[in-house]
Amino acid sequence: NAGVTQTPKFRVLKTGQSMTLLCAQDMNHEYMYWYRQDPGMGLRLIHYSVGEGTTAKGEVPDGYNVSRLKKQNFLLGLESAAPSQTSVYFCASKPNLGRGGLEQFFGPGTRLTVL
Amino acid sequence: GENVGLHLPTLSVQEGDNSIINCAYSNSASDYFIWYKQESGKGPQFIIDIRSNMDKRQGQRVTVLLNKTVKHLSLQIAATQPGDSAVYFCAVLTSGTSYGKLTFGQGTILTVHP
Repeated sequence: NAGVTQTPKFRVLKTGQSMTLLCAQDMNHEYMYWYRQDPGMGLRLIHYSVGEGTTAKGEVPDGYNVSRLKKQNFLLGLESAAPSQTSVYFCASKPNLGRGGLEQFFGPGTRLTVL
Repeated sequence: GENVGLHLPTLSVQEGDNSIINCAYSNSASDYFIWYKQESGKGPQFIIDIRSNMDKRQGQRVTVLLNKTVKHLSLQIAATQPGDSAVYFCAVLTSGTSYGKLTFGQGTILTVHP
């Protein structure tokens, strides 16, 4: 199993550009999450999904959109990138409560710089 | 809400020493706690977890202690090795969050000197 994978690993954008970050998991997990990690602030939840076709806002959703058209994929979109969105983005997944533990499994991250 | 903090942002130890990393949380309804390790350039990796009905859990070279009275948990690493150098995060799950929302601490940087 590859676990949780993220594409791309690095990206540099100019202010106002758009992009999509792709997260894929091959563990058949129901729950998927997008976090951002900034220095001194830990991980903050942007959006999450409890199953295919469903998404919901986390703590810091502004400026981002997500889609979960397939169970194994969770896409994070930036419609008009801003320098404040410079961060490292992590995707995570976990199974339903009945099928496993409560820990989340993380991808390797995408480092995004917005100039 | 949940505030999760760490007492020390950095910790330096010598190889072979024991390391203790601390974490405080604020919500008494928190019922599940996880420690993650994050190496440079990688995503967080699960180390060990503990539920609120326990006060101690041991893994391979790691022990997590939970003190619900003072809302504190710690991660103890025995015989610390250079490969243990990383950032360590505690994460807390609060009862009632159906989507498994974890609140993460800011992290402690552990540096192990050979």
